Amino acid sequence: TQLLEQSPQFLSIQEGENLTVYCNSSSVFSSLQWYRQEPGEGPVLLVTVVTGGEVKKLKRLTFQFGDARKDSSLHITAAQPGDTGLYLCAGVQVGGADGLTFGKGTHLIIQP
Amino acid sequence: EAGVVQSPRYKIIEKKQPVAFWCNPISGHNTLYWYRQNLGQGPELLIRYENEEAVDDSQLPKDRFSAERLKGVDSTLKIQPAELGDSAVYLCASSLAGHYNEQFFGPGTRLTVL
Repeated sequence: TQLLEQSPQFLSIQEGENLTVYCNSSSVFSSLQWYRQEPGEGPVLLVTVVTGGEVKKLKRLTFQFGDARKDSSLHITAAQPGDTGLYLCAGVQVGGADGLTFGKGTHLIIQP
Repeated sequence: EAGVVQSPRYKIIEKKQPVAFWCNPISGHNTLYWYRQNLGQGPELLIRYENEEAVDDSQLPKDRFSAERLKGVDSTLKIQPAELGDSAVYLCASSLAGHYNEQFFGPGTRLTVL
């Protein structure tokens, strides 16, 4: 059973459209992070959320941590081809191991 | 500031051969991680070091995988002997203590076992 479930697994949309991807779990997390990974490179940290209900914005990207700290979402406004990549959520589970657990990711393609 | 450095970037070997990967973390980062990432999947932790100590190696296949972090800086990950199923990208990451495990990744080593 995957601790962090990401959906959708694949998403292909046109430039200029909006989209939301999700990261869900039945477990509580003390913090949750989003990374973006491009082909041939390692993941790059986008944001860390630590408070239930927290919303963080990074230009056209909006990240939200669920009130119960079990889920998170990433919303992209007016997607651009440069947003293409694998989006990974990762978290530190409360009462679990100290390390970071990753989801399987959402493969996002923004077509010009 | 230099990022996490990994070498080699690519490695092709035949099954049953040994292989080693090297990682130099960001200066001052005391925590170092090795992950394996299969095609189209998220990274899976193999081993985590706090300075020189391996604090989580529960997912490391110890019959063929070994790792070391001498002097608490550079690290090597070794596979001997390699199997076909070991083909993957091996990522190294590092982080500072007390920063929510925010990790900085290297570019990875793509291993192909023939």
